[in-house]
Amino acid sequence: GAVVSQHPSWVICKSGTSVKIECRSLDFQATTMFWYRQFPKQSLMLMATSNEGSKATYEQGVEKDKFLINHASLTLSTLTVTSAHPEDSSFYICSASSGGLNTDTQYFGPGTRLTVL
Amino acid sequence: AQSVSQHNHHVILSEAASLELGCNYSYGGTVNLFWYVQYPGQHLQLLLKYFSGDPLVKGIKGFEAEFIKSKFSFNLRKPSVQWSDTAEYFCAVNALAYNTDKLIFGTGTRLQVFP
Repeated sequence: GAVVSQHPSWVICKSGTSVKIECRSLDFQATTMFWYRQFPKQSLMLMATSNEGSKATYEQGVEKDKFLINHASLTLSTLTVTSAHPEDSSFYICSASSGGLNTDTQYFGPGTRLTVL
Repeated sequence: AQSVSQHNHHVILSEAASLELGCNYSYGGTVNLFWYVQYPGQHLQLLLKYFSGDPLVKGIKGFEAEFIKSKFSFNLRKPSVQWSDTAEYFCAVNALAYNTDKLIFGTGTRLQVFP
């Protein structure tokens, strides 16, 4: 159980275009979803936390207008990288949590590798 | 601000050797603690977690971790590693007082096990 999927698994786009990444919880309802960014050989950096039906909470330094997050249902959250630039190239990972606050575990998706040319 | 330190960046072991990966965090209040593993080309998987109770936690694949509150540590151990344990290991902390499920990750430890 507790499977999280991401689509696409990899994407290449031109600079200036927008890219949407989907995160789905397949066998549970995710009240909270998280978006991370992972640079090569580095740790995961939390970008934002989204709760179903409400606005996402962004971490300091993350541009809200550039990284649009929507959590429209209990099984789906999307991250849209708007006007992508080469420096946005990275590995984007989502995770989902189903339980009560501070008592549950995050389950991670397989990640999406974004390359901006 | 909370932070998580993993001092071993790269560990190389032979099969059957014992493993201990260090994890220290900087937060004085109540925490939930996690170890995640990322096998090559795969997504993060939960190895084990500590929320409360017995500070010695047993996880999957023979791993265990001990929470030592006085040392702000949550070291991961395995008595005898296998080649298949080659992976990246991440320690993560959730500080309960911040009223959020947000996880702070350490920088990770790359483990290579040679046959």
